[in-house]
Amino acid sequence: GENVEQHPSTLSVQEGDSAVIKCTYSDSASNYFPWYKQELGKGPQLIIDIRSNVGEKKDQRIAVTLNKTAKHFSLHITETQPEDSAVYFCAATVNQAGTALIFGKGTTLSVSS
Amino acid sequence: NAGVTQTPKFQVLKTGQSMTLQCAQDMNHNSMYWYRQDPGMGLRLIYYSASEGTTDKGEVPNGYNVSRLNKREFSLRLESAAPSQTSVYFCASTAQGYRETQYFGPGTRLLVL
Repeated sequence: GENVEQHPSTLSVQEGDSAVIKCTYSDSASNYFPWYKQELGKGPQLIIDIRSNVGEKKDQRIAVTLNKTAKHFSLHITETQPEDSAVYFCAATVNQAGTALIFGKGTTLSVSS
Repeated sequence: NAGVTQTPKFQVLKTGQSMTLQCAQDMNHNSMYWYRQDPGMGLRLIYYSASEGTTDKGEVPNGYNVSRLNKREFSLRLESAAPSQTSVYFCASTAQGYRETQYFGPGTRLLVL
């Protein structure tokens, strides 16, 4: 089955710096890769996703890149702000009945001002 | 439009007691999911319901049962709680399947003594 590894587990940056979180997946059939942000005491919320027919996707200060050959994808946050502090999860899945969204173990991002 | 709601928010149980976690969504979504979140483990799927009338096991189903009561409601039952089931439980829903945005509820924090 699919296995998703996420690094680093914790990341501390200064306000205004960039942050990069990386994930690798094992199943070459995986074709959907979402990123979720979880603030303290809340449920995860989708911030961006990418499908396997696309190499990069941007949404304001957030971007995701996908390298299908190497089976890894990354989240890039530019011009970080204190409100970006949260736990970020990557995930992967295949478009197949009965398969699940497999999550990485999460990255705790701390942005200090 | 409340999205996904979960009750209760917090519960303490003694080993061997039973309880049901409730989840409801008002987005007319077909698919619903139950996850557990443990420190350093990310989110792991317990059970899911692809559509009303169907349920399937996820990665960690042992010790749990589910009921898709109708299109809106998906409950999770612990028949005989164990300390290993101490966790935060999240319900989520999607319009159809895994390759779409999962909307998460606020979570239920469960402590089994």
